[in-house]
Amino acid sequence: DQQVKQNSPSLSVQEGRISILNCDYTNSMFDYFLWYKKYPAEGPTFLISISSIKDKNEDGRFTVFLNKSAKHLSLHIVPSQPGDSAVYFCAATGSARQLTFGSGTQLTVLP
Amino acid sequence: EPEVTQTPSHQVTQMGQEVILRCVPISNHLYFYWYRQILGQKVEFLVSFYNNEISEKSEIFDDQFSVERPDGSNFTLKIRSTKLEDSAMYFCASSPGFQETQYFGPGTRLLVL
Repeated sequence: DQQVKQNSPSLSVQEGRISILNCDYTNSMFDYFLWYKKYPAEGPTFLISISSIKDKNEDGRFTVFLNKSAKHLSLHIVPSQPGDSAVYFCAATGSARQLTFGSGTQLTVLP
Repeated sequence: EPEVTQTPSHQVTQMGQEVILRCVPISNHLYFYWYRQILGQKVEFLVSFYNNEISEKSEIFDDQFSVERPDGSNFTLKIRSTKLEDSAMYFCASSPGFQETQYFGPGTRLLVL
């Protein structure tokens, strides 16, 4: 069951540059999307979310873009910092309360 | 800042034994959840709980699993007879309302031998 897909298992960027993490979904009933960050041996930490009535949501260095027609969302981190190095999960939910997670992208920000 | 807490952080058990994983959700939250992550796999939904009853559950959440809110603060997941394949990281989460952001605890690493 691949309702939420993160096709890049890893991404490396230089400190100060933009990180772009991508996520695709197949279930058209999803209407609320979230990004979580996870360090090893810790739980997912909420970063930012977006409702399907919007196409962009911004919070400090983090911006999430939603393209409903393409069933695609992306997380932009500008500027990237070494402390951003973690696994980033995309998650989606619809009328059900359960979150469906992607497989995650390991972001490494190089100093 | 309020946070979800979970105990124990690690649990090792023998196959066939019962385990209880404990969670204290954020105090004014109304919805509670359990997820698990088997090593190398995705985070998977197990169950959601609202108003003292299960509101949704996945196929994973079979008769071996149960959840309870025994008092005003704790939320527990019980596995009646553990199997090797139950070895995973178990995460509790809570949210203030329906389809609001879910906040996760640090997880309990369960190892079944």
